Amino acid sequence: TQLLEQSPQFLSIQEGENLTVYCNSSSVFSSLQWYRQEPGEGPVLLVTVVTGGEVKKLKRLTFQFGDARKDSSLHITAAQPGDTGLYLCAGLPGNNRLAFGKGNQVVVIP
Amino acid sequence: NAGVTQTPKFQVLKTGQSMTLQCAQDMNHNSMYWYRQDPGMGLRLIYYSASEGTTDKGEVPNGYNVSRLNKREFSLRLESAAPSQTSVYFCASTGHGKGNEQFFGPGTRLTVL
Repeated sequence: TQLLEQSPQFLSIQEGENLTVYCNSSSVFSSLQWYRQEPGEGPVLLVTVVTGGEVKKLKRLTFQFGDARKDSSLHITAAQPGDTGLYLCAGLPGNNRLAFGKGNQVVVIP
Repeated sequence: NAGVTQTPKFQVLKTGQSMTLQCAQDMNHNSMYWYRQDPGMGLRLIYYSASEGTTDKGEVPNGYNVSRLNKREFSLRLESAAPSQTSVYFCASTGHGKGNEQFFGPGTRLTVL
C-alpha cells in the first residue's frame, strides 16, 4: 500500500500555462517535502512544509500543506520548459523514515 | 563541497556477478540511505544507516548488503546479481533540519543481463 498518492501521474502543458499537482494520504505527517528530479539526476529538495495550512512560495512555485497535515499541493504559475521534471513528495509519518510518493511527471512544451 | 558522490555512474553485470556501489558524503551527515528507483514503483528504501556503525533494513533489502565504512562512506553490495536488480540506485544523506530532508547523489544505473 502506497502511503502517499500523487496525482496526476503525468501532465503535459504548454509554456505559460498554470498547473497544480497533488500529494494525498490518509496518514498524518509531521512534515512533508517536495523534490524535483530531472532525467539522469538525483532528486533535489525544493521545500519542506511543517505546519498545517502552511503556504510556501519558491519563485513561480507555490506549495501548500493541508490543514490536517495529510496532503499537499504544488502549483506552478506560468510554467516554463525548465520546470519539466518528476516532482516527488515525501512525508515523515513519525517513524523517522521518509516515505516517498511515486511522483508527478510534468512536461512543459515550449 | 561535492555533496553526495556515487560511483560508478553506469554498470552492466551478468547474472551471478557481484559488485559494490560506492557512496560518500562530505556534509558531516549522520544518516545515509540506499534507494532503488524503478518505473512505476517510485523510490524504495533498500537499507539505511542512522549513524556510523549501525545499519538497518528498509523496504526491499533482499539480495543486498551494506557497509557503513565510516561517517562519510556507505557502500551497497550485490553478492549475486539478478535481472530483477536492474534499476537506478541512489544514495542519500540526511541534513540537520527537522524534516529529515535528504540530499541525493547522481545515481548509478545498473543493468543485469
